Amino acid sequence: DTGVSQNPRHKITKRGQNVTFRCDPISEHNRLYWYRQTLGQGPEFLTYFQNEAQLEKSRLLSDRFSAERPKGSFSTLEIQRTEQGDSAMYLCASSLTTNEKLFFGSGTQLSVL
Amino acid sequence: DQQVKQNSPSLSVQEGRISILNCDYTNSMFDYFLWYKKYPAEGPTFLISISSIKDKNEDGRFTVFLNKSAKHLSLHIVPSQPGDSAVYFCAATGTASKLTFGTGTRLQVTL
Repeated sequence: DTGVSQNPRHKITKRGQNVTFRCDPISEHNRLYWYRQTLGQGPEFLTYFQNEAQLEKSRLLSDRFSAERPKGSFSTLEIQRTEQGDSAMYLCASSLTTNEKLFFGSGTQLSVL
Repeated sequence: DQQVKQNSPSLSVQEGRISILNCDYTNSMFDYFLWYKKYPAEGPTFLISISSIKDKNEDGRFTVFLNKSAKHLSLHIVPSQPGDSAVYFCAATGTASKLTFGTGTRLQVTL
């Protein structure tokens, strides 16, 4: 039983660089979510896909952020021209369409220096 | 605009006693509520959930109570064990299916 897998686990980058994270959901799950969590806060919704369609984006997702799920399987989240405020844990989750329970990966911890 | 609130950032309970974690919400459209548990450097793990058509759901040592009129839910853990020490997040969802999380309560179960 493979859960949600995220890579890399940790990423350190310099301000202004681009970074890309990958998420592999549970195989039979057709919904995939991206959340961001900062210290002392709960996870904040960024965006979600049903199959390959991106159905909703949060206003937190600025123009520098882009997410894709090209074949309805894995997803990537890219941040361009990173800023120190982007430092956070980026969490991916997946679910079945008809089940509100989300299964989370271990996250990617991003540090922007 | 915090739609899901957990007003107690931390809670300390002795092993064997009851832990009660509270959560309030403001959005009347929420109709499904979940509790997640999170250890450091890991993603949140689903614990228990409740639909708005119920007022109680029980799973082993964990019970969630929902008071719709007060827009309040609580998680009871009985008996508390040291392995329960973690951060607990309350989450809620409506028709959109995305979850809205509270800020979490850090539970410490002491020996």
